[in-house]
Amino acid sequence: DAGVTQSPTHLIKTRGQQVTLRCSPKSGHDTVSWYQQALGQGPQFIFQYYEEEERQRGNFPDRFSGHQFPNYSSELNVNALLLGDSALYLCASSLVAGGSNQPQHFGDGTRLSIL
Amino acid sequence: GQNIDQPTEMTATEGAIVQINCTYQTSGFNGLFWYQQHAGEAPTFLSYNVLDGLEEKGRFSSFLSRSKGYSYLLLKELQMKDSASYLCAVRGNRDDKIIFGKGTRLHILP
Repeated sequence: DAGVTQSPTHLIKTRGQQVTLRCSPKSGHDTVSWYQQALGQGPQFIFQYYEEEERQRGNFPDRFSGHQFPNYSSELNVNALLLGDSALYLCASSLVAGGSNQPQHFGDGTRLSIL
Repeated sequence: GQNIDQPTEMTATEGAIVQINCTYQTSGFNGLFWYQQHAGEAPTFLSYNVLDGLEEKGRFSSFLSRSKGYSYLLLKELQMKDSASYLCAVRGNRDDKIIFGKGTRLHILP
């Protein structure tokens, strides 16, 4: 039973560049949420995808966009990278039909460093 | 607005008991989660509370008071491997996003 997988593990970019992060949800899950976690902070909600559409969005600028594919996998895209975008990006998956008590399962994250 | 507060750091001794508190103010409430996160790793699910009271799961217990907007995580018989950050997270209305607190870093001393 594969858990949530994210790629790449680490990434180094420079200011102004664009980046795409990828996530495959846990087998059987249909919903993907993305979080940004700065060092020493809790995860901050970016957005959530279900049925290939963005369902919820946190307080992040339009530079942050995403996509969900028919196989439930998801991408997070960040344009015009800023130094402050350096963080651990976590993907979490869940099953809508499983009920509100179902926890999200997290991937190991992508560590993004902006130089 | 939505806000979740928990202490930044706590220290406890191996074999002892520690209680990590969490207070929250959210628009609607549909459950509270506790996650454990070791440095450099993904958060892992510990417990879920949606009704008032205590949920016990082995060495870990979690309590919820919805009227007070308050929860705590109780860790018994502390082990060195319990050194980690503990994240309190609240789901607002059904299917709403889950908001995380900043986490409590727990240090276990031998």
